[in-house]
Amino acid sequence: DVKVTQSSRYLVKRTGEKVFLECVQDMDHENMFWYRQDPGLGLRLIYFSYDVKMKEKGDIPEGYSVSREKKERFSLILESASTNQTSMYLCASSTPGTHPYEQYFGPGTRLTVT
Amino acid sequence: GENVEQHPSTLSVQEGDSAVIKCTYSDSASNYFPWYKQELGKGPQLIIDIRSNVGEKKDQRIAVTLNKTAKHFSLHITETQPEDSAVYFCAASKINSGYALNFGKGTSLLVTP
Repeated sequence: DVKVTQSSRYLVKRTGEKVFLECVQDMDHENMFWYRQDPGLGLRLIYFSYDVKMKEKGDIPEGYSVSREKKERFSLILESASTNQTSMYLCASSTPGTHPYEQYFGPGTRLTVT
Repeated sequence: GENVEQHPSTLSVQEGDSAVIKCTYSDSASNYFPWYKQELGKGPQLIIDIRSNVGEKKDQRIAVTLNKTAKHFSLHITETQPEDSAVYFCAASKINSGYALNFGKGTSLLVTP
């Protein structure tokens, strides 16, 4: 089974802190994604990556950056956390293959910025 | 960019009844339409998908229909069970566009015994 793990289920940070959200997948997937999920807004794509050291902006990249130094790991960075970044963050991975568009999601990290 | 609208936002049905969730999309070039189910405390999981060269696809109690002309697609769940209670998301994408999905806002389905 594909497994996507996220470093924390719950995280509380203060305004202005630098925050790192880590995601690791164990299936050698090329593609990795970061979404945020807010009530009534669904899943919105922040950033995605097709390969190591590659990154593409999604729909809402402002205030975020990403890092992909290894194939299995995709990090989301909040350079200076703000209260409007309080949200559920979901990581996903996929691979070009027989079912290239199926994304496998982690359980999510609920981030609260106070 | 692609805009996916999903309705209703909440849906309550009695066990055994059918449930229908509808989505519309804006980009006529979209050609891949998956549905994800998110149970409480978990990430979304793919339950069924359809490509634009197919009008309908069925997998046991769930089915998806696609109307390319009207740019809408629907999820149908028959003989609903309490374990079908979850949030359902539709999405749209263009194959060969980079594998990114545009999600609808979700439908919270409650199946009452």
